[in-house]
Amino acid sequence: DIQMTQSPSSLSASVGDRVTITCRASQSISTYLNWYQQKLGKAPKVLLYAASTLQSGVPSRFSASGSGTDFTLTISSLQPEDFATYYCQQSSNTPLTFGQGTRLEIE
Amino acid sequence: QVQLQESGPGLVKPSETLSLTCTVSGGSISGYSWNWIRQPPGKGLEWIGYIYYSGSTNYKPSLTSRVTMSVDTSKSQFSLRLSSVTAADTAVYYCARKTGKPYYFDYWGQGTLVTVSS
Repeated sequence: DIQMTQSPSSLSASVGDRVTITCRASQSISTYLNWYQQKLGKAPKVLLYAASTLQSGVPSRFSASGSGTDFTLTISSLQPEDFATYYCQQSSNTPLTFGQGTRLEIE
Repeated sequence: QVQLQESGPGLVKPSETLSLTCTVSGGSISGYSWNWIRQPPGKGLEWIGYIYYSGSTNYKPSLTSRVTMSVDTSKSQFSLRLSSVTAADTAVYYCARKTGKPYYFDYWGQGTLVTVSS
């Protein structure tokens, strides 16, 4: 199985801050990497797919990059609605696997 | 707008079989793979497996012996059966649609909590 490791596991930040979350795969996954946002009690929602493509309707303050084994998700200017848990997910090989999540909290 | 809705019992006894159905509306079930993903309370996401509209399946190896998925295209539904459940199977179960290449989950159900307890 491909292991996905996110860092940090939790992060405190303020509205307007720029934040970056990293995701590392245990082997190369090319650009088969997706990012999801999950709010408490809700299903995850895709933000970006194929490492850097913004899903329709997602604000442009979200961006992502990477290929191979190292990936990043950046939120350029945090908004109140961005406080949530973020997951990376690889779709290169089955079993499909997720990172453990990064909980983004208000500072 | 595609919508997915899980249904099934919220409480299952240990050693019994968990059965859930996902109903797809607002779009065709053809042309996609249909997935089950679960999330134990307070924990992360675990992919269980998928079934194509054609009926072919791909399960997480550690669950293969206990998982069966099926699809009913006439009803736009797909189902999950997980046998011999234990407390470790207590989770919110989500159904989700996976796109073709580059393969991501674009639509999710709201999730249903299944508790394994006597």
